Formats: sequence, structure tokens, C-alpha cells
Amino acid sequence: QKEVEQNSGPLSVPEGAIASLNCTYSDRGSQSFFWYRQYSGKSPELIMSIYSNGDKEDGRFTAQLNKASQYVSLLIRDSQPSDSATYLCAVKKVGGTSYGKLTFGQGTILTVHP
Amino acid sequence: DVKVTQSSRYLVKRTGEKVFLECVQDMDHENMFWYRQDPGLGLRLIYFSYDVKMKEKGDIPEGYSVSREKKERFSLILESASTNQTSMYLCASRSSTDTQYFGPGTRLTVL
Repeated sequence: QKEVEQNSGPLSVPEGAIASLNCTYSDRGSQSFFWYRQYSGKSPELIMSIYSNGDKEDGRFTAQLNKASQYVSLLIRDSQPSDSATYLCAVKKVGGTSYGKLTFGQGTILTVHP
Repeated sequence: DVKVTQSSRYLVKRTGEKVFLECVQDMDHENMFWYRQDPGLGLRLIYFSYDVKMKEKGDIPEGYSVSREKKERFSLILESASTNQTSMYLCASRSSTDTQYFGPGTRLTVL
């Protein structure tokens, strides 16, 4: 079992719809969760972080965390063609010698079509 | 603005050559990371450094070594390049707010 799993997609949604991206993780010791966006040919950039159960909203983006079920999701409301990218879920353990080490999922390709 | 730069965007080397990839950050971050990114495999951690001259192996360190002589610079070394090391290499540095900032990447081809 992979430590962090995402559906690789591609996920295709029409413009204006809600895009839902999901991620599961295997280590119950994980404490911090991140969503990175990577445009084609570019490097990843952080768009959301979430640390406690529940929802966290930032503009059109909402991150949801359920530690009991070991999943984290990203909702993109009113999807735009400019949201088309690969979305990477990343998980961080706390403690020991982790030093902020992240484990990434393989990424979900999102395409928003006009 | 945080800036992470990498020495080359594209690099072509021959099997058996020694390859140096350099990464520089300008935000005084203590933690720096080297990843490789391959289709279908996502980002995989090769090595990371938590302070000058301090390093730890990541998930796939075989065939690589690193050097961190100064806080702002983290180098990845391929001692003897092989074709299976053809990949996109990404460097990152981590802020105190837990954000990892990535460099533009180096696409390495080993022939």
C-alpha cells in the first residue's frame, strides 16, 4: 500500500462546476496535510494546508480533513480553465527526525473544459 | 519573494559521468530537499538537509549523494550517471510556516 494515494485521473469537469480531488494516507501518525498545484512544465506551488479535522476554506478552494478515515480532499468551486493542472497531495509526519519531510501522492490531473 | 534557483533547466550527460546539480535559496531556510519526479510516480524524496553539513537519506538515495557546505546551497551529485536516472529533478526549501518552495527543476537526460 502506498503511503499517500490519489486517483491519477484525468478528472475532467466543465467550467463553473465543482472539482473534487481526493487523497488517502496510510500512516495514522501523519499530522499535517498539503495540496500543491503543478502546471504543466512548472514546479509545484502550495495552495492549501490543513492540520485539524474539518474544513478549511480559502477563496474558491476548500480542504477537508478526516483523520479517522485517513483522507483529505480538495474542492475547487466555480472551476476555471486556469485551474487545469496536476494537484499533488502531501502528508507530513510530526516528531522524530522528520524535519518537515513530506510524502507526496502521485498527483491527480485536472482538466476544466469551457 | 522566496526564490529557489537551480543551476540548469536542461542537462544531457553520458552514462558513467559524474553529474552535479546545484540549488540555491535566498530565504535563509534551514531545511532543503532534493526530489525526482517521474510520470505516474509523483515526487520522490532523494535526500534532505536540515542544517549546514547535515543530511539524511530520503526514500530513494541509491546512486546519489549530496553536499551542503553553505546554508543557501544544496548540491545533488550523481557519482556515475545511469540511464535510469533520467528524470526531472526538483529542489525545495522549507519555510518556518511549513511551506516548501520549489525551484524550476532540472530535466536530466542520461544517454
